[in-house]
Amino acid sequence: DAGVIQSPRHEVTEMGQEVTLRCKPISGHNSLFWYRQTMMRGLELLIYFNNNVPIDDSGMPEDRFSAKMPNASFSTLKIQPSEPRDSAVYFCASSLGPGTSGGAGNEQFFGPGTRLTVL
Amino acid sequence: GESVGLHLPTLSVQEGDNSIINCAYSNSASDYFIWYKQESGKGPQFIIDIRSNMDKRQGQRVTVLLNKTVKHLSLQIAATQPGDSAVYFCAENMAWQNTDKLIFGTGTRLQVFP
Repeated sequence: DAGVIQSPRHEVTEMGQEVTLRCKPISGHNSLFWYRQTMMRGLELLIYFNNNVPIDDSGMPEDRFSAKMPNASFSTLKIQPSEPRDSAVYFCASSLGPGTSGGAGNEQFFGPGTRLTVL
Repeated sequence: GESVGLHLPTLSVQEGDNSIINCAYSNSASDYFIWYKQESGKGPQFIIDIRSNMDKRQGQRVTVLLNKTVKHLSLQIAATQPGDSAVYFCAENMAWQNTDKLIFGTGTRLQVFP
């Protein structure tokens, strides 16, 4: 299995531009998570989906951020317009989904991340 | 001005020694716990997990201990190697709520010196 795939691996853009990050979860996984990691705030959950439906988006910073999951094998995180303070590493993770006995299945597998720099 | 980042606790150990990384979790209702390892430039990687009906679980060179009374989790690494240098995160989950959302700790940096 290729694991969670994210693209691009690095993105450098100018303030005000639209940024789209992409994620392909592990096949058969029903939950997908978007995280942001910075030195200031550590690892933050932005949003997560189960069976392509957003379950919890309370971590999305503001309206400039949006996420979609049109099908089980693809998700996007979009920032429009981007700002320098959005610079971070964005991780996508997937898991089998809740309901497996005792938590097993809740283990999340992380992608390699997208390092975003907004100038 | 100078930005202030998270202050990650750092554990420095000599190669070959045992390491113990500690974590205080937040929610007494959590019933599933995971330790992750994050190497520089990579995403967090699963190391070992434990359910709340256990107080100890062993893997290859790693042992996780759970003390629910004081909401404490520890990761023990035997015969620490340079490749163990990374940031280690504990994460908690309330599987009984039928959710797979994880709450991550702030992390501990492990430095292994020769």
